[in-house]
Amino acid sequence: GAVVSQHPSWVICKSGTSVKIECRSLDFQATTMFWYRQFPKQSLMLMATSNEGSKATYEQGVEKDKFLINHASLTLSTLTVTSAHPEDSSFYICSARDSGFAKNIQYFGAGTRLSVL
Amino acid sequence: DQQVKQNSPSLSVQEGRISILNCDYTNSMFDYFLWYKKYPAEGPTFLISISSIKDKNEDGRFTVFLNKSAKHLSLHIVPSQPGDSAVYFCAASLDNNAGNMLTFGGGTRLMVKP
Repeated sequence: GAVVSQHPSWVICKSGTSVKIECRSLDFQATTMFWYRQFPKQSLMLMATSNEGSKATYEQGVEKDKFLINHASLTLSTLTVTSAHPEDSSFYICSARDSGFAKNIQYFGAGTRLSVL
Repeated sequence: DQQVKQNSPSLSVQEGRISILNCDYTNSMFDYFLWYKKYPAEGPTFLISISSIKDKNEDGRFTVFLNKSAKHLSLHIVPSQPGDSAVYFCAASLDNNAGNMLTFGGGTRLMVKP
């Protein structure tokens, strides 16, 4: 299946700092990528839809100034958690949709565990 | 309002037997359904999918059944293996301009006992 690489897999940072998470589609082009957040023992919550070359679409209740998304190329989307606080500690997962094939299937990265001290 | 529900948070099955995971949805506009498998601290792995124009799709040990009138789908795993132990999420997709975003159920933790 298609491969999506997410980096870093785990990051620990101090409160008030910013953290950037990268999501890359390795063997396909993705005009659309998605960012999810998962709390312990809960389902995946869609945060935003990242569209190549245009602004991201954020879900209700997600602060766009807090979670900056950039999708500058067909294979890379980044999520920056700005001025992180302990309540931002969570598991963040990205996914990418193959623009050319099986458009309904999203392929997920391995996730990033963010711990804010 | 949860549009996709997995009412069983957990399921325990003996190795070699059939595992049946269920999923219900409320939005009749959903036209594509997927099952993902997830291990702790990892991203979900795509397992199998089905279009709303079909009622069954099979791939090896995995079969997904769709009952549109009941707005219900199920994933059958047979025979179940200990390595199948994970959390399974069903997801539904709506073919629209929103990029085919997925709506996930809450997940079912499957435990396959040796």
